[in-house]
Amino acid sequence: QVHLVESGGGVVQPGKSLRLSCAASGFTFRNYAMHWVRQAPGKGLEWVAYIWHDGSNKDYTDSVKGRFAISRDNSNNMVYLEMSSLTAEDTALYYCARGIRLYGDTLNHFDHWGQGTRLTVSS
Amino acid sequence: EIVLTQSPATLSLSPGETATLSCRASQSVTNYLAWYQQKPGQAPRLLIYDASNRATGISARFSGSGSGTDFTLTISNLEPEDFAVYYCQQRRNWPLTFGGGTKVEFK
Repeated sequence: QVHLVESGGGVVQPGKSLRLSCAASGFTFRNYAMHWVRQAPGKGLEWVAYIWHDGSNKDYTDSVKGRFAISRDNSNNMVYLEMSSLTAEDTALYYCARGIRLYGDTLNHFDHWGQGTRLTVSS
Repeated sequence: EIVLTQSPATLSLSPGETATLSCRASQSVTNYLAWYQQKPGQAPRLLIYDASNRATGISARFSGSGSGTDFTLTISNLEPEDFAVYYCQQRRNWPLTFGGGTKVEFK
């Protein structure tokens, strides 16, 4: 079955950098777009970043553009989120999520989610 | 950015009743709208995609409808495990956006 496991979260100081990882298994990873979605404590869901199945296309929410970079390694079924210039507003639980693939098309809804990795930005 | 407004914020119901949740978009998303369920301490779970298509393994008690700017998630015959927070999400435009959520709680 599909399994997504995030790691790399922790407590970091404002202005620092961190890389999150997501290990995927149970499906043909190279065929699927992948996303990062975050949830601040007690708040709703916010889409953060997306990467096309082959890494050729990426996009970000405005608040992280220029600071975050999404990448993937299809040989090792991994997706990453490199985060820099972190602020308190980045404090959240970060989920890795798979985009739906239907009849060969990618739908940017999320059919599988990991359990998340928590990032706290604090001095 | 497309803003999704969910109402009501909280819905107080009893098991066996029907829940009707609303999601309104600030501009047309055609039918590119999904619904998710999230329970405390758990990741969200996809219920409905493209407005009315149930995801794999989702009970027929969950149904989605609507198009353009107005969408509804209906949960019939509420069961105890249905009490949770529900989010809508659009894929019509970038950035992808979520609604603020509706909490379905025990009355």
